[in-house]
Amino acid sequence: AQTVTQSQPEMSVQEAETVTLSCTYDTSESDYYLFWYKQPPSRQMILVIRQEAYKQQNATENRFSVNFQKAAKSFSLKISDSQLGDAAMYFCAYRPPREYGNKLVFGAGTILRVKS
Amino acid sequence: DGGITQSPKYLFRKEGQNVTLSCEQNLNHDAMYWYRQDPGQGLRLIYYSQIVNDFQKGDIAEGYSVSREKKESFPLTVTSAQKNPTAFYLCASSKTSGTPETQYFGPGTRLLVL
Repeated sequence: AQTVTQSQPEMSVQEAETVTLSCTYDTSESDYYLFWYKQPPSRQMILVIRQEAYKQQNATENRFSVNFQKAAKSFSLKISDSQLGDAAMYFCAYRPPREYGNKLVFGAGTILRVKS
Repeated sequence: DGGITQSPKYLFRKEGQNVTLSCEQNLNHDAMYWYRQDPGQGLRLIYYSQIVNDFQKGDIAEGYSVSREKKESFPLTVTSAQKNPTAFYLCASSKTSGTPETQYFGPGTRLLVL
């Protein structure tokens, strides 16, 4: 079974600094998708960034970027120029190939605190 | 505005009672999902449906039931067989074609047992 591991229960970052959140996953598939979702105190899940496994180029969305290491099965999220609004729980999620259904497997999450 | 709505925001269940959580979407998505979130854990899949009148069990389906009579609606019933229903419940939807079929989430329902 696929599993997703987020080894950092909590992280802190100073406003305007950079922070990296870790995620590793376990799969025997070669074609899959990876996502980072943000859950602020409102508890609304918000998509941050996504990565297709067949693409070697790391995805980037404004201040958010990923370091996708397929061989190592690692998918870390880098947040640059951290802002107070970035404070939230961040979840890494894995989606298997389509024939297994569009199901997401989530990690346990990392709480990110931003200090002013 | 297109989106996913869940109601109610808070729901209280008495012992032995079945309760139903509503999820509606106007994104014209074929697929819909129910997840449960417990403190310190990630989301876990309860049920999902990729087309009307069809649905599949997820990882923790015991004590839950669903129906998918309309494309826009995917209600979740928490039955009396679910012994520990207190949790935050999230509904999501996605397309089933194109890539990468990103799931979009509703605002959630908090279920508490009296």
